[in-house]
Amino acid sequence: AQKITQTQPGMFVQEKEAVTLDCTYDTSDQSYGLFWYKQPSSGEMIFLIYQGSYDEQNATEGRYSLNFQKARKSANLVISASQLGDSAMYFCAMSPRSKAGTALIFGKGTTLSVSS
Amino acid sequence: GAGVSQSPRYKVAKRGQDVALRCDPISGHVSLFWYQQALGQGPEFLTYFQNEAQLDKSGLPSDRFFAERPEGSVSTLKIQRTQQEDSAVYLCASSLEPGEYGELFFGEGSRLTVL
Repeated sequence: AQKITQTQPGMFVQEKEAVTLDCTYDTSDQSYGLFWYKQPSSGEMIFLIYQGSYDEQNATEGRYSLNFQKARKSANLVISASQLGDSAMYFCAMSPRSKAGTALIFGKGTTLSVSS
Repeated sequence: GAGVSQSPRYKVAKRGQDVALRCDPISGHVSLFWYQQALGQGPEFLTYFQNEAQLDKSGLPSDRFFAERPEGSVSTLKIQRTQQEDSAVYLCASSLEPGEYGELFFGEGSRLTVL
Protein backbone atom coordinates (compact mmCIF):
# COMPACT_ATOMS: atom_id res chain seq x y z
CA ALA A 1 0.00 0.00 0.00
CA GLN A 2 1.17 3.51 -0.68
CA LYS A 3 1.66 5.75 2.32
CA ILE A 4 3.15 9.10 3.24
CA THR A 5 4.50 9.68 6.76
CA GLN A 6 5.18 13.07 8.26
CA THR A 7 6.43 12.60 11.81
CA GLN A 8 6.63 16.23 12.90
CA PRO A 9 3.23 17.57 14.00
CA GLY A 10 4.73 21.02 14.58
CA MET A 11 7.94 22.88 13.88
CA PHE A 12 9.09 26.23 15.20
CA VAL A 13 11.72 28.40 13.55
CA GLN A 14 12.87 32.00 13.70
CA GLU A 15 12.84 34.32 10.74
CA LYS A 16 15.77 33.97 8.34
CA GLU A 17 16.64 30.51 9.62
CA ALA A 18 16.43 27.39 7.46
CA VAL A 19 14.05 24.56 8.38
CA THR A 20 13.66 20.97 7.21
CA LEU A 21 10.27 19.27 7.16
CA ASP A 22 10.50 15.49 7.08
CA CYS A 23 8.64 13.15 4.75
CA THR A 24 9.03 9.44 4.16
CA TYR A 25 7.00 7.42 1.72
CA ASP A 26 6.19 3.83 0.98
CA THR A 27 5.47 2.51 -2.50
CA SER A 28 6.27 -0.49 -4.63
CA ASP A 29 5.95 1.53 -7.82
CA GLN A 30 9.10 2.28 -9.78
CA SER A 31 7.73 5.49 -11.24
CA TYR A 32 6.14 8.06 -8.99
CA GLY A 33 6.03 11.75 -8.19
CA LEU A 34 6.53 13.51 -4.89
CA PHE A 35 4.97 16.85 -4.04
CA TRP A 36 4.92 19.42 -1.30
CA TYR A 37 1.94 21.69 -0.72
CA LYS A 38 1.45 24.61 1.65
CA GLN A 39 -1.93 25.22 3.26
CA PRO A 40 -2.34 28.60 4.99
CA SER A 41 -5.25 29.30 7.29
CA SER A 42 -7.36 30.34 4.28
CA GLY A 43 -7.55 26.66 3.36
CA GLU A 44 -6.21 26.69 -0.17
CA MET A 45 -3.54 24.12 -1.01
CA ILE A 46 -0.62 25.82 -2.72
CA PHE A 47 1.79 23.76 -4.82
CA LEU A 48 5.41 24.30 -3.82
CA ILE A 49 7.66 21.76 -5.46
CA TYR A 50 7.73 18.48 -7.38
CA GLN A 51 10.27 15.66 -7.65
CA GLY A 52 10.01 12.76 -10.08
CA SER A 53 11.35 9.40 -8.99
CA TYR A 54 13.75 9.28 -11.94
CA ASP A 55 14.99 12.83 -11.55
CA GLU A 56 18.66 12.66 -10.69
CA GLN A 57 18.92 16.13 -9.26
CA ASN A 58 17.06 17.45 -6.26
CA ALA A 59 14.27 19.85 -7.21
CA THR A 60 14.57 23.50 -6.25
CA GLU A 61 12.06 26.33 -6.49
CA GLY A 62 13.29 29.61 -5.07
CA ARG A 63 13.65 29.19 -1.30
CA TYR A 64 12.29 25.64 -1.45
CA SER A 65 14.37 22.58 -2.16
CA LEU A 66 13.51 18.92 -1.93
CA ASN A 67 16.12 16.63 -0.41
CA PHE A 68 15.31 13.41 -2.27
CA GLN A 69 16.94 10.24 -0.98
CA LYS A 70 15.45 7.44 -3.02
CA ALA A 71 17.12 4.53 -1.22
CA ARG A 72 15.82 5.81 2.10
CA LYS A 73 12.43 6.72 0.58
CA SER A 74 12.58 10.21 1.96
CA ALA A 75 11.62 13.53 0.39
CA ASN A 76 12.30 16.24 2.93
CA LEU A 77 11.41 19.86 2.21
CA VAL A 78 14.02 22.48 3.03
CA ILE A 79 12.93 26.08 3.36
CA SER A 80 15.81 28.51 3.43
CA ALA A 81 15.61 31.96 5.02
CA SER A 82 12.19 31.48 6.64
CA GLN A 83 9.70 34.33 6.49
CA LEU A 84 6.71 35.09 8.70
CA GLY A 85 4.46 34.31 5.74
CA ASP A 86 5.76 30.75 5.70
CA SER A 87 3.69 29.95 8.78
CA ALA A 88 1.20 27.33 7.58
CA MET A 89 0.51 23.61 7.32
CA TYR A 90 2.79 21.73 4.95
CA PHE A 91 1.79 18.49 3.29
CA CYS A 92 3.93 15.94 1.53
CA ALA A 93 2.13 13.95 -1.17
CA MET A 94 2.80 11.19 -3.66
CA SER A 95 1.34 10.13 -6.97
CA PRO A 96 2.20 7.09 -9.06
CA ARG A 97 3.04 8.66 -12.41
CA SER A 98 2.41 5.45 -14.19
CA LYS A 99 -1.32 5.52 -13.63
CA ALA A 100 -3.39 8.15 -15.34
CA GLY A 101 -5.69 10.14 -13.13
CA THR A 102 -4.42 8.70 -9.91
CA ALA A 103 -5.04 11.02 -7.05
CA LEU A 104 -2.40 12.34 -4.73
CA ILE A 105 -1.90 10.56 -1.42
CA PHE A 106 -1.20 13.05 1.35
CA GLY A 107 0.56 12.83 4.68
CA LYS A 108 -0.98 14.23 7.85
CA GLY A 109 0.96 17.45 7.59
CA THR A 110 3.36 19.53 9.65
CA THR A 111 2.45 22.89 11.13
CA LEU A 112 5.27 25.39 10.70
CA SER A 113 5.38 28.45 12.91
CA VAL A 114 7.84 31.21 12.05
CA SER A 115 8.54 33.84 14.70
CA SER A 116 10.29 37.19 14.49
CA GLY B 1 -10.89 34.95 -10.94
CA ALA B 2 -8.79 32.42 -12.79
CA GLY B 3 -8.51 29.88 -9.98
CA VAL B 4 -10.64 26.99 -8.78
CA SER B 5 -13.78 28.33 -7.16
CA GLN B 6 -15.84 26.46 -4.56
CA SER B 7 -19.18 27.32 -3.04
CA PRO B 8 -20.44 27.62 -0.44
CA ARG B 9 -17.31 28.33 1.57
CA TYR B 10 -19.15 27.42 4.76
CA LYS B 11 -22.18 25.23 5.24
CA VAL B 12 -23.93 24.25 8.45
CA ALA B 13 -26.40 21.40 8.12
CA LYS B 14 -28.60 19.58 10.57
CA ARG B 15 -28.06 15.87 10.75
CA GLY B 16 -30.15 14.19 8.10
CA GLN B 17 -30.18 17.11 5.68
CA ASP B 18 -28.90 16.85 2.13
CA VAL B 19 -26.12 19.20 1.00
CA ALA B 20 -24.63 20.10 -2.37
CA LEU B 21 -21.15 21.52 -2.80
CA ARG B 22 -20.11 23.14 -6.05
CA CYS B 23 -16.74 23.31 -7.77
CA ASP B 24 -15.85 25.55 -10.72
CA PRO B 25 -12.50 24.32 -12.04
CA ILE B 26 -10.08 26.36 -14.08
CA SER B 27 -11.45 26.68 -17.61
CA GLY B 28 -10.16 23.95 -19.89
CA HIS B 29 -8.90 21.70 -17.14
CA VAL B 30 -9.58 18.08 -17.96
CA SER B 31 -9.07 16.45 -14.59
CA LEU B 32 -11.11 17.20 -11.49
CA PHE B 33 -10.66 15.70 -8.04
CA TRP B 34 -12.65 15.89 -4.82
CA TYR B 35 -10.93 15.44 -1.47
CA GLN B 36 -12.19 15.32 2.10
CA GLN B 37 -10.02 16.89 4.79
CA ALA B 38 -10.92 16.23 8.42
CA LEU B 39 -9.68 18.62 11.07
CA GLY B 40 -5.94 18.27 11.61
CA GLN B 41 -5.56 15.67 8.87
CA GLY B 42 -4.32 15.59 5.31
CA PRO B 43 -6.76 15.53 2.40
CA GLU B 44 -8.15 12.14 1.47
CA PHE B 45 -9.20 11.27 -2.06
CA LEU B 46 -12.91 10.93 -2.78
CA THR B 47 -13.41 10.82 -6.54
CA TYR B 48 -11.88 11.72 -9.91
CA PHE B 49 -13.34 12.96 -13.19
CA GLN B 50 -11.72 13.12 -16.59
CA ASN B 51 -13.97 15.54 -18.47
CA GLU B 52 -17.51 14.30 -17.71
CA ALA B 53 -16.50 10.72 -16.98
CA GLN B 54 -16.17 9.66 -13.36
CA LEU B 55 -13.21 7.32 -13.64
CA ASP B 56 -12.60 6.64 -9.98
CA LYS B 57 -15.01 6.88 -7.08
CA SER B 58 -13.24 4.46 -4.81
CA GLY B 59 -12.75 7.05 -2.09
CA LEU B 60 -16.41 7.90 -1.56
CA PRO B 61 -17.08 6.76 2.03
CA SER B 62 -20.65 5.61 1.53
CA ASP B 63 -23.51 5.54 -0.94
CA ARG B 64 -24.73 8.78 0.63
CA PHE B 65 -21.97 10.54 -1.31
CA PHE B 66 -22.53 11.28 -4.97
CA ALA B 67 -20.59 13.43 -7.43
CA GLU B 68 -21.27 14.55 -10.96
CA ARG B 69 -19.72 16.65 -13.70
CA PRO B 70 -22.30 16.45 -16.45
CA GLU B 71 -20.74 18.82 -18.97
CA GLY B 72 -17.13 18.27 -18.11
CA SER B 73 -16.67 21.57 -16.32
CA VAL B 74 -18.58 22.39 -13.11
CA SER B 75 -18.83 19.56 -10.60
CA THR B 76 -21.20 19.01 -7.70
CA LEU B 77 -20.58 16.82 -4.67
CA LYS B 78 -23.82 15.82 -3.00
CA ILE B 79 -24.11 14.30 0.45
CA GLN B 80 -27.45 12.82 1.40
CA ARG B 81 -28.73 12.40 4.94
CA THR B 82 -25.66 14.06 6.44
CA GLN B 83 -24.08 12.61 9.56
CA GLN B 84 -21.81 14.28 12.10
CA GLU B 85 -18.81 12.35 10.78
CA ASP B 86 -19.28 14.10 7.42
CA SER B 87 -18.07 17.34 9.03
CA ALA B 88 -14.90 18.26 7.15
CA VAL B 89 -13.48 20.58 4.54
CA TYR B 90 -14.21 19.38 1.02
CA LEU B 91 -11.51 20.39 -1.41
CA CYS B 92 -11.80 20.43 -5.17
CA ALA B 93 -8.75 20.38 -7.43
CA SER B 94 -8.30 20.51 -11.18
CA SER B 95 -5.47 19.97 -13.59
CA LEU B 96 -4.92 20.55 -17.27
CA GLU B 97 -3.42 17.16 -17.94
CA PRO B 98 -5.64 14.07 -18.05
CA GLY B 99 -3.24 11.97 -16.11
CA GLU B 100 0.36 11.28 -15.30
CA TYR B 101 1.76 14.37 -13.69
CA GLY B 102 -0.40 17.39 -13.95
CA GLU B 103 -0.02 20.14 -11.41
CA LEU B 104 -3.11 20.25 -9.26
CA PHE B 105 -4.77 23.57 -8.52
CA PHE B 106 -6.91 23.55 -5.43
CA GLY B 107 -9.86 25.65 -4.41
CA GLU B 108 -10.20 27.07 -0.91
CA GLY B 109 -12.60 24.35 0.08
CA SER B 110 -16.12 24.11 1.44
CA ARG B 111 -16.23 23.67 5.20
CA LEU B 112 -19.19 21.49 6.18
CA THR B 113 -20.36 21.34 9.77
CA VAL B 114 -23.09 18.84 10.60
CA LEU B 115 -24.89 19.48 13.88
